Amino acid sequence: NAGVTQTPKFQVLKTGQSMTLQCAQDMNHEYMSWYRQDPGMGLRLIHYSVGAGITDQGEVPNGYNVSRSTTEDFPLRLLSAAPSQTSVYFCASTPSGGYIQYFGAGTRLSVL
Amino acid sequence: DQQVKQNSPSLSVQEGRISILNCDYTNSMFDYFLWYKKYPAEGPTFLISISSIKDKNEDGRFTVFLNKSAKHLSLHIVPSQPGDSAVYFCAASAVAGGTSYGKLTFGQGTILTVHP
Repeated sequence: NAGVTQTPKFQVLKTGQSMTLQCAQDMNHEYMSWYRQDPGMGLRLIHYSVGAGITDQGEVPNGYNVSRSTTEDFPLRLLSAAPSQTSVYFCASTPSGGYIQYFGAGTRLSVL
Repeated sequence: DQQVKQNSPSLSVQEGRISILNCDYTNSMFDYFLWYKKYPAEGPTFLISISSIKDKNEDGRFTVFLNKSAKHLSLHIVPSQPGDSAVYFCAASAVAGGTSYGKLTFGQGTILTVHP
């Protein structure tokens, strides 16, 4: 099992560009989440999904879109990148009925 | 409003001694608490957890203590090893029906350095 796989590992964008951060898990976990990590802020929840077709907002959802068409994939879309979105992004999955989250290795994003 | 706080940004400990990392929370609805360990350029990995119905949970060198009345938990590492040097995050969840539904609230993290 690869676990939670995030691509790309690094990305540099210009202000106003759009992009999609990919996240895939092969553990058949029902729940998936996106977090961003900023210095001194810990990890903050952006969006989460409790199953295919069901998503909801977390603590810091503005500027991000998500969809969940399959159990395995949970992409995060930046519609118009801003310098404030410079961060490290982590995707996580949780088994149905569980509370422990399993994280990917992260995507480091810089917006110039 | 930071619902989970780790007030010590860093901790330095000698190899073989005890490391104590602290975490405070404000939301009384939290009922599961987790500690994650994070190395540079890697994702957080789960270390140990505790339910609010317990006050202590042990796993090898790692012990987590929960004081519900004080809304405080701590992670003890004994003995500390240089390989324990990492960022440690405290996290909390309000669980319904035994699941967090993929929502954790994290503290800011504490950088632990264990010197040989």
